[in-house]
Amino acid sequence: DAGVIQSPRHEVTEMGQEVTLRCKPISGHNSLFWYRQTMMRGLELLIYFNNNVPIDDSGMPEDRFSAKMPNASFSTLKIQPSEPRDSAVYFCASSVTGSTEEYFGPGTRLTVT
Amino acid sequence: AQKVTQAQTEISVVEKEDVTLDCVYETRDTTYYLFWYKQPPSGELVFLIRRNSFDEQNEISGRYSWNFQKSTSSFNFTITASQVVDSAVYFCALSEISGNTGKLIFGQGTTLQVKP
Repeated sequence: DAGVIQSPRHEVTEMGQEVTLRCKPISGHNSLFWYRQTMMRGLELLIYFNNNVPIDDSGMPEDRFSAKMPNASFSTLKIQPSEPRDSAVYFCASSVTGSTEEYFGPGTRLTVT
Repeated sequence: AQKVTQAQTEISVVEKEDVTLDCVYETRDTTYYLFWYKQPPSGELVFLIRRNSFDEQNEISGRYSWNFQKSTSSFNFTITASQVVDSAVYFCALSEISGNTGKLIFGQGTTLQVKP
């Protein structure tokens, strides 16, 4: 099993640009989570999906952030327009609903200049 | 509200010393899971252990051991005979079970530096 796959691994963009982060969960997992890690706030949950449906997006910082899961094997987190304070590592994780064992992807390190 | 507190921001030890990382949690749930993750300098999050709130037995895995005490809402992690490769940030996390959401609430992390 390839584990959770995230792309890109690193992204550097200029303020105002649109950024799209991608995640492929582990096959058979039906819960997907997006986390953000910053020095100031640590690891925080942004949104999670169950069976492709967003269940809780209360952690999404503002309207500039949006996440989609068009099918069971793909999710995106989009930031438009990006700002320097969005610079962080974004992790995607997946699990089987009912199991609390989450498997994390390697993360995407985003730098907004 | 659920909360995880890791009061130790940074710990520095010399190789072969034992070190304990503290974790205190708050939850209104009677059923929950507790976790420890390791984040080495390479950045990935490595799962170390999951503990069910009904199981207060201590666990040992090689040089790692965990002490879960419901009475004090603590889930401490001890590394025996630390090694340089143990240098990393360690996160304690709590997961609510109600609703089967599985979402994790992380502590702020403890940076462990093991010097040769």
